[in-house]
This record gives sequence, C-alpha cells and structure tokens, in this order.
Amino acid sequence: NAGVTQTPKFQVLKTGQSMTLQCAQDMNHNSMYWYRQDPGMGLRLIYYSASEGTTDKGEVPNGYNVSRLNKREFSLRLESAAPSQTSVYFCASSDSGGYNEQFFGPGTRLTVL
Amino acid sequence: KQEVTQIPAALSVPEGENLVLNCSFTDSAIYNLQWFRQDPGKGLTSLLLIQSSQREQTSGRLNASLDKSSGRSTLYIAASQPGDSATYLCAVPARSGTYKYIFGTGTRLKVLA
Repeated sequence: NAGVTQTPKFQVLKTGQSMTLQCAQDMNHNSMYWYRQDPGMGLRLIYYSASEGTTDKGEVPNGYNVSRLNKREFSLRLESAAPSQTSVYFCASSDSGGYNEQFFGPGTRLTVL
Repeated sequence: KQEVTQIPAALSVPEGENLVLNCSFTDSAIYNLQWFRQDPGKGLTSLLLIQSSQREQTSGRLNASLDKSSGRSTLYIAASQPGDSATYLCAVPARSGTYKYIFGTGTRLKVLA
C-alpha cells in the first residue's frame, strides 16, 4: 500500500498563476483533508471532505478550491496564487471523520514569487 | 474555541534518557487525541490515537496518556535514541462531532548520541 500520495513534491509559481495539487489514498478511507503548515502557525485545515461527494471549509479556505473526484482522490486548486500561499501543503485521510487516525501524505512545498 | 499548546517548543536530551512531552488543550469535550511524529522535510507519521474512553495507549517505547478533566496529554518516550529526534505534534478535534482538528505547534526533540 502506498498510503497517501501527493503530487508534485515541489512547485514554484509566480503571483497570479494557477495550479492544482493532487492527492490520492489507497486505504479506502471516507474522509480526506487538506492542511497547510507554516512556521510558528502549526497545521491549519484548509478544506475537508467527510465523504465522497461532499466538501466543507476548514479554518483557512480563502484563495483555495477543492474537488473530491472520487473516493480515492481529493485535489486542491489555487486559482490565482499569492505570496501568502507559500507554504507546505499536506493531504490526509481517515476512515470516518474524527473517530479514527489521520494518515498524512509527504507534502508539497509551494513557493509563490 | 479549542486551543492546543505544546511546551517546551524544543528539547535536547542525552541518549538513553526517559522523557515526557506535553500537550494541553482548552476544551475537554474531546473524543480522541492523536500524537504524530514529523521528520524534517517529511509528512506526519501517526504514533498513537487515544480515544476519550481510554486513559493511555502504548506502542513499543511510547506511552501516551490522556487526562480530559485537566486538559492534558503526555507522550512518554522510554530509553530515548538518536533516531527519536524529530518534531512531535498532538492534535484534537476542534469540538465534538467535528472533522476539524486543531494541532499544536509541536515539540522539537533532539536526542544526543
């Protein structure tokens, strides 16, 4: 099992460019999450998907959109990147919401110039 | 609003020492608490998940305890090794029944050979 995979691993964008971060899990989990991690701020939830077909905002959703493509895949899109979105982005999944362990991907390190 | 604090932010110990990492949370109405390990430049690895009905959980040299009434959890690492050097984070649900998790900013542990 690969667990949670993310692509790309690194990305550099210019202000105003768009991109999509991809996430997939092979654990048949219902719930998936996108977090960002910034120095001194810890991990903050951007969006989550409790189950296939549903998505909801987390703590810091502004400037992002998500798509739960199917049970395995959950993508995060930056429509017009800003320097404030420079961060490390993590995708996670769990079997059903907050009652079970969350498993994390390796992360995408994004720099917006 | 749930807040999670981990003190100290950094800790250095000699190899072989037993140590305790602390995690405090403000809202005791949680249904679980999860401890993670993060190596530099990597994703988070789940170490232990404690359900609200449990007082402690063990995995190898790791033992995590949970005291909801005092809003505290501790992660005990026995006979520390240089390979234990990493950042340790705890996470709790923002409130009961939610998919949103609040993370502490972590304790950066260095075990000296």
